[in-house]
Order: sequence, then structure tokens, then C-alpha cells
Amino acid sequence: GNSVTQMEGPVTLSEEAFLTINCTYTATGYPSLFWYVQYPGEGLQLLLKATKADDKGSNKGFEATYRKETTSFHLEKGSVQVSDSAVYFCALRGSTDKLIFGTGTRLQVFP
Amino acid sequence: DTEVTQTPKHLVMGMTNKKSLKCEQHMGHRAMYWYKQKAKKPPELMFVYSYEKLSINESVPSRFSPECPNSSLLNLHLHALQPEDSALYLCASSQAKDTQYFGPGTRLTVL
Repeated sequence: GNSVTQMEGPVTLSEEAFLTINCTYTATGYPSLFWYVQYPGEGLQLLLKATKADDKGSNKGFEATYRKETTSFHLEKGSVQVSDSAVYFCALRGSTDKLIFGTGTRLQVFP
Repeated sequence: DTEVTQTPKHLVMGMTNKKSLKCEQHMGHRAMYWYKQKAKKPPELMFVYSYEKLSINESVPSRFSPECPNSSLLNLHLHALQPEDSALYLCASSQAKDTQYFGPGTRLTVL
């Protein structure tokens, strides 16, 4: 079946550091891939998405490229801010209405 | 506009109470979802409505009863809940098999 694996957190960084959160997936067919962000006490917000191989999703300085050859969708940001502190979920959607989530990665950014 | 609204924001109820959670979207989406999220975990799918008909029930106990009165509204009726049902309940909507947009959630506490 479909699954998503994310790196364990928390990831702790200083402000302006480079961020990578790894995400790999297992799926049949051609899934769509997503990154959602959840700030403390809030719901999930769509951060970015990619629907086919080699697509790059980007938003608010975050980027992720759909790599079919490595079945990966790693999240990157060149310079993190304290306000980026949140939990980040990688997710995929295959041929059904179901979103398959990774376990989430907590990011803590210190000034 | 990608807004999904949920009411109430917080709810405290006893195990003998009956209460309802409400979700609304005006994006013309024809699929709506209920998720349950426990602390430090990803959301777990509970129900999916597609074109106002229940299409997925993830073996949720009958003390949770979903209702979709029209294409913009989704309710979750609660009765005889247990303390372990305390969680963040998230609503989401999407165009068929497209990106899911989440509401801010209802934080439920069962005493």
C-alpha cells in the first residue's frame, strides 16, 4: 500500500540556517505529493504541492521537487525564520480521496 | 479564497452529552472530510463525503455520526463519547481528488 516516511524531529536550527526535511514515499501509479504546515494550536495549511515527476512546488521560500527516481519530496528553505517554527507533514494522494500522511517533523527555530 | 470554517473552536462535554461540530466551505468543493488528530500525531481520516453522499467510513465508532445537509456544510454529531475521544477534529474539503484544504479545527475535551 501507499506510505510516507519523514525524518524524525525535532529539527532545531538557528535563524537564517538552511533547512532540509526529508520525505520519501511508496506508492503505485503516479501520486500527488504535498507539504502541509501546522502552527501551534491551529489546523493544517497547504504549504506546497507537486502533481507529477520533476515538478517543483514552492511557497513562502520553501521548495520541494518531486523525484520519481528516488521516490522523494524533500522540503528545503534557504534561510529559516523563528516564525517558521511549526510541525511539517509530508503527504501523498493516490487514486482515491485518501491523503496518506507522514508522522510529521517538528521544526524549532531559535533567534 | 481557500477558507474552511469550523465551529466551535473549543468544546468541553461530558460522556452523556450530545453535541455537534460544524464545518462550512464556499469554494464549490464537492468532497468534504472529517479527521481526528491526537497530540503529536498526523491526522487520521474518519469520514469522506462525495457529492453529499458518504463514500468512506474508516470504521469509526457509531458514537460519531456524520451528516452532510448540503454541498457547503458538514456536521459531526457526537453522543456518549469517551475521554479517549478528546482530540483536535479537523474538517477539510476538495474538488474531486484534488488538493484538500483544512479548517482550523475544533479542540474537543471529553470529561
